[in-house]
Amino acid sequence: ETGVTQSPTHLIKTRGQQVTLRCSSQSGHNTVSWYQQALGQGPQFIFQYYREEENGRGNFPPRFSGLQFPNYSSELNVNALELDDSALYLCASSLAISGSLGEQFFGPGTRLTVL
Amino acid sequence: QKEVEQNSGPLSVPEGAIASLNCTYSDRGSQSFFWYRQYSGKSPELIMFIYSNGDKEDGRFTAQLNKASQYVSLLIRDSQPSDSATYLCAVKPGGTSYGKLTFGQGTILTVHP
Repeated sequence: ETGVTQSPTHLIKTRGQQVTLRCSSQSGHNTVSWYQQALGQGPQFIFQYYREEENGRGNFPPRFSGLQFPNYSSELNVNALELDDSALYLCASSLAISGSLGEQFFGPGTRLTVL
Repeated sequence: QKEVEQNSGPLSVPEGAIASLNCTYSDRGSQSFFWYRQYSGKSPELIMFIYSNGDKEDGRFTAQLNKASQYVSLLIRDSQPSDSATYLCAVKPGGTSYGKLTFGQGTILTVHP
C-alpha cells in the first residue's frame, strides 16, 4: 500500500510570491484534506477535496486555493504570500464512504518559510 | 472557549509508568475522536480512534470517551522513551458532511529512563 506523499519537502519564498504544494493520496483513498500547522500549534483545517471539488473550507482567505485531479492527487496554491504563512503544510488522505469514521492519514508535510 | 482543548504540558513520566493525556471538546454533536502522535519535525501519525462511549484498547494504548462530559483521554501503559512526542487530540465535528478534523494544541510527553 502506497502512503501519502508530498512535495516539495522544504520551500523558501519571499513575501508576495505564489507557491504550489503537491500531494498524492494513499492508494485507495478518494479524499484529500489540507492543514496548516504553525510551530507549537495543532493543525488547522484549510479545505478538503472530494470528487475534484472543494468539499468544506476552514477559516482561510481566498488566496488559499486548491485542486484535485482525477487520480485523487491534489495541489494547494497560496497567492500573495505573507510572513504568517510560514508553517508546515500537511496533506491528509481518507476514504469517503458511508459509515466511515473519517480517519485521515497524513503525508510528511511541506515546510514553507516566507521571508 | 476553544473547540478542542488538551491538558497543558509538558507531561513528564518515568519509564514504565502510565501516561494520561486528556482532551475536552465543545461540540456536543461530535462524532469521532482521534489521537495522533507527532515526533519533532515529523507529521502526525494516527494511533487510536474511538466513536462510542467507553474504553478502546490497542496494545499499550487505551482511549476513553465520555460524550456526556465531552471528554476523551488516552492512556499509555508501560511508557517507553520512544513514546516521547507531542500527542494531538482531533475531533470530527457533528453536522458536517465532510471530514474536517479540529485539533487541540497538543500535549508534549517526555518519558525519562
